[in-house]
Amino acid sequence: EVQLVESGGGLVQPGGSLRLSCAASGFTVSSNDMSWVRQAPGKGLEWVSVIYSGDSTYYAESVEGRFIISRDNSKNTLYLELNSLRADDTAVYYCARSPLGFYYFDNWGQGTLVTVSS
Amino acid sequence: EIVMTQSPATLSVSPGERATLSCRARQSVSSKLAWYQQKPGQAPRLLIYAASTRATGIPPRFSGSGSGTEFTLTISSLQSEDFAVYYCQQYHEWPLTFGGGTKVEIK
Repeated sequence: EVQLVESGGGLVQPGGSLRLSCAASGFTVSSNDMSWVRQAPGKGLEWVSVIYSGDSTYYAESVEGRFIISRDNSKNTLYLELNSLRADDTAVYYCARSPLGFYYFDNWGQGTLVTVSS
Repeated sequence: EIVMTQSPATLSVSPGERATLSCRARQSVSSKLAWYQQKPGQAPRLLIYAASTRATGIPPRFSGSGSGTEFTLTISSLQSEDFAVYYCQQYHEWPLTFGGGTKVEIK
């Protein structure tokens, strides 16, 4: 059974940093394209970043230069490093898997809440 | 980026009735369109991909249609568990973009 479990969210001050983790089971993270998608409170879904099975990465313009996506193949875990955080980064962050070559999301984690506030 | 617009924002439907949700893309996304269902406090769940293919385990009362710029999600006979927010997403072009959602509520 495919499972994604996020962790690492919390309260952080503006300008601060946080690292989110997404532990996967039931499949191999490195063999799939993996994304982070976020949802601000009461708002819709926003794609944030992707790491392809071939290691390339891509970011939404709103986080480019501030967020870094990576993975640890030995731990079968996806990460998102959030830097220079702003109030508008406050959201639930979901990790999500895409079938190879197609960029819809067939499996999602339960999400982790990041709150940026002083 | 490709802007996705969903309508209506809220749809009030009685159980057992049919619900029709619309999603429009500002430019063609071919058939690279997915639909998700999200209930309060839960992650989104994939319903439909490639505009009309039901995901694993999705009941046949959910159907998708359309191509290019106009898409429709139809729920043929609403069950109590179907009251939720529905999002469309295009994956034709980066960045991936979602519609703003349609909330299906009990009438």
